[in-house]
Amino acid sequence: RKEVEQDPGPFNVPEGATVAFNCTYSNSASQSFFWYRQDCRKEPKLLMSVYSSGNEDGRFTAQLNRASQYISLLIRDSKLSDSATYLCVVTYTGDMRFGAGTRLTVKP
Amino acid sequence: DAGITQSPRYKITETGRQVTLMCHQTWSHSYMFWYRQDLGHGLRLIYYSAAADITDKGEVPDGYVVSRSKTENFPLTLESATRSQTSVYFCASSEPGVNEQFFGPGTRLTVL
Repeated sequence: RKEVEQDPGPFNVPEGATVAFNCTYSNSASQSFFWYRQDCRKEPKLLMSVYSSGNEDGRFTAQLNRASQYISLLIRDSKLSDSATYLCVVTYTGDMRFGAGTRLTVKP
Repeated sequence: DAGITQSPRYKITETGRQVTLMCHQTWSHSYMFWYRQDLGHGLRLIYYSAAADITDKGEVPDGYVVSRSKTENFPLTLESATRSQTSVYFCASSEPGVNEQFFGPGTRLTVL
């Protein structure tokens, strides 16, 4: 079993839609959680951190459920520019583990 | 320009050849990392370095060698390239205690 698992998609949604991605992790001692964004043939970049209390950054909301070892990312009012691959990242003692990513395509 | 750069950006080589991928950062970050990215696997850590002259293995180190004689440079060498090492290689850097890693643009390596 992979340490970090994501639905690879692709998710194809119209502009303005709300879309949610999920991620599960296997190590219950994992300490920090993130979502990174990776555009086609580019490097990954930090999108946002994920906290147990949940956090929001504009149209993006991230949630962490430690009991279920589950992380989510919600994107509201999708824009064409949101088209990318979203990587779930989990750390344990400083070691980062990346999910394989979920691909999102937002269509006009 | 400040940041993290990788060279070459694209490389085609043959099985058995030695290849070195370069990584250079201008932030003076302590930590540097090498990852490979393959379809279905996400990014997997090859080697990392906490400081100059300190390196350690990651998840998939076999077939790779690293060195870090200067803080700003972290070259990755494939001593005898194999087809299974065809991949996109990303270098990253970060500061200790800061979880965000900053990635270079990547090197696309093809081993024929």
